[in-house]
Amino acid sequence: DQQVKQNSPSLSVQEGRISILNCDYTNSMFDYFLWYKKYPAEGPTFLISISSIKDKNEDGRFTVFLNKSAKHLSLHIVPSQPGDSAVYFCAASVQGSQGNLIFGKGTKLSVKP
Amino acid sequence: KAGVTQTPRYLIKTRGQQVTLSCSPISGHRSVSWYQQTPGQGLQFLFEYFSETQRNKGNFPGRFSGRQFSNSRSEMNVSTLELGDSALYLCASSLLGANVLTFGAGSRLTVL
Repeated sequence: DQQVKQNSPSLSVQEGRISILNCDYTNSMFDYFLWYKKYPAEGPTFLISISSIKDKNEDGRFTVFLNKSAKHLSLHIVPSQPGDSAVYFCAASVQGSQGNLIFGKGTKLSVKP
Repeated sequence: KAGVTQTPRYLIKTRGQQVTLSCSPISGHRSVSWYQQTPGQGLQFLFEYFSETQRNKGNFPGRFSGRQFSNSRSEMNVSTLELGDSALYLCASSLLGANVLTFGAGSRLTVL
């Protein structure tokens, strides 16, 4: 049973527009959420995170929103750039989980010039 | 500051063989985690080590094992390889108690 779901395997947006990547989770014990970006032949790179005590966290062009009642989080990229084309993974953890992040299966973002 | 280093980057084995993968964490990071990435299952947690002790383990068979050395370097071993073990094996390190993991580039294992 998947605890973290990314229902869109792929997303295509135009350069300069907003990219919105979505993630749903089922375990209400999750208290920390992360987004990673992965290019081919590289490991995942940490992008941004949010604690369950917040509903928004912003870092430059990247903003993560958390809706705990809906068990939903989203990553907004504004404006999108061709270099943002990658696979984006949503991950969740429980305090004290000792290295165990639960990942979604990823969304492949393509930003077209 | 050097990142997480994994060796080898690519390897090919045949069914029934065993394989050992190595991971050097970021200097100062004493927690090392291992993940398996496959197209069908995504990233799945294998185990985590801290101070040479396995503190957490995912849902994988006993053929998957690991260890950590006193310098925090870690190895994982897969015995009696099966075709389904073909995957990208990722190592990640972190500071104790940190939520954010820093990943290496991975070791791509192909089992024929």
